[in-house]
Amino acid sequence: ETGVTQTPRHLVMGMTNKKSLKCEQHLGHNAMYWYKQSAKKPLELMFVYNFKEQTENNSVPSRFSPECPNSSHLFLHLHTLQPEDSALYLCASSQVITGRAGANVLTFGAGSRLTVL
Amino acid sequence: DAKTTQPPSMDCAEGRAANLPCNHSTISGNEYVYWYRQIHSQGPQYIIHGLKNNETNEMASLIITEDRKSSTLILPHATLRDTAVYYCIVRSRTTSGTYKYIFGTGTRLKVLA
Repeated sequence: ETGVTQTPRHLVMGMTNKKSLKCEQHLGHNAMYWYKQSAKKPLELMFVYNFKEQTENNSVPSRFSPECPNSSHLFLHLHTLQPEDSALYLCASSQVITGRAGANVLTFGAGSRLTVL
Repeated sequence: DAKTTQPPSMDCAEGRAANLPCNHSTISGNEYVYWYRQIHSQGPQYIIHGLKNNETNEMASLIITEDRKSSTLILPHATLRDTAVYYCIVRSRTTSGTYKYIFGTGTRLKVLA
């Protein structure tokens, strides 16, 4: 496996369900990101993790709970979602190199398409 | 965070150069400009980035104005497979120093046969 892998690719859940999205990167990167893309809208940054520590929470509702157990894995736990949370959820990773500000490139996974009924 | 402004859509004939403009008038001195593209519901794909000098790689060229308030992405010979939404992003930092990329609405490029 190479790059950034997201599972599942498609998920349908009811509003009372609890589910999780998983992201795994095989690039040796130290930063990971969750983005949300609703229909016909730009990507919205949700969370940023650097060396497993959350460094950005873009005012995301608490029904979305991220978890980053190590630099290679990122989860998004979903609970009591609303139909308007239906979207494409994209994971990305990058390598932050001290002293090389220009070397940081974001690599995305293919996304998990979530439908909330 | 510096914001970017792009035209919502553009058409380009196949084989011709596609020039996609971006305004980022509030960019600060150490912020990089990145370009990504997204082909229908896939994850965005990195194209190119730069700070102040013009850049070229196998995919595209990036021209940044001297005052850094705008830039242009050039696809030298557009093909049908270049049809996508192109995003211009100014990379900024979180309060703890991590980089973050804020996407705008992008330009929907349609390459015509």
